[in-house]
Amino acid sequence: GAVVSQHPSWVICKSGTSVKIECRSLDFQATTMFWYRQFPKQSLMLMATSNEGSKATYEQGVEKDKFLINHASLTLSTLTVTSAHPEDSSFYICSATGPGTGGIYEQYFGPGTRLTVT
Amino acid sequence: AQSVTQLDSQVPVFEEAPVELRCNYSSSVSVYLFWYVQYPNQGLQLLLKYLSGSTLVKGINGFEAEFNKSQTSFHLRKPSVHISDTAEYFCAVSVNNDMRFGAGTRLTVKP
Repeated sequence: GAVVSQHPSWVICKSGTSVKIECRSLDFQATTMFWYRQFPKQSLMLMATSNEGSKATYEQGVEKDKFLINHASLTLSTLTVTSAHPEDSSFYICSATGPGTGGIYEQYFGPGTRLTVT
Repeated sequence: AQSVTQLDSQVPVFEEAPVELRCNYSSSVSVYLFWYVQYPNQGLQLLLKYLSGSTLVKGINGFEAEFNKSQTSFHLRKPSVHISDTAEYFCAVSVNNDMRFGAGTRLTVKP
């Protein structure tokens, strides 16, 4: 149980375009979802936290107009990188938590999405 | 806010040798502690977690960790490593579901 998927697993886009990444909880209701960014050989940095039906809370230094997060349902959150540039190239990982997962205060992580902006 | 320090960025070890990956945390309130493993181009897999109770926590793949409140540590250990344990390991601390990660330790198991 407590499986989180991400789609796509990798994406290449041209500079200036937008790309959407989906994060789904497959077998539980995700009341809270998190988006992380990971640069090569570095740790995960929390970008934002979103609760279903509410606006996301962004970490300091994360541009909310560039990284649009939507958590419209209890099983789906999306991250849209708008007007992407090469410096946005990174590994994006989502996680989710919710009641009934059996792991209180535990986040379940998706497999990640590799974004390359050319 | 809470924070995590992983004391070793890289740990090389020979196959079948024991290993310890060190983690210290800082927090003014009670915390939950986690160890995750990450293989290349993959997400995080939970190895083990400490929420409460026994300070010695056993996880998957033969790993265990001990919570030491006085030393604010949560070191990960395995008595005998395999080649397949080569990966990046992250220690994480959570307060009210706000999870912060250490910089990671690259474990390399050599034959």
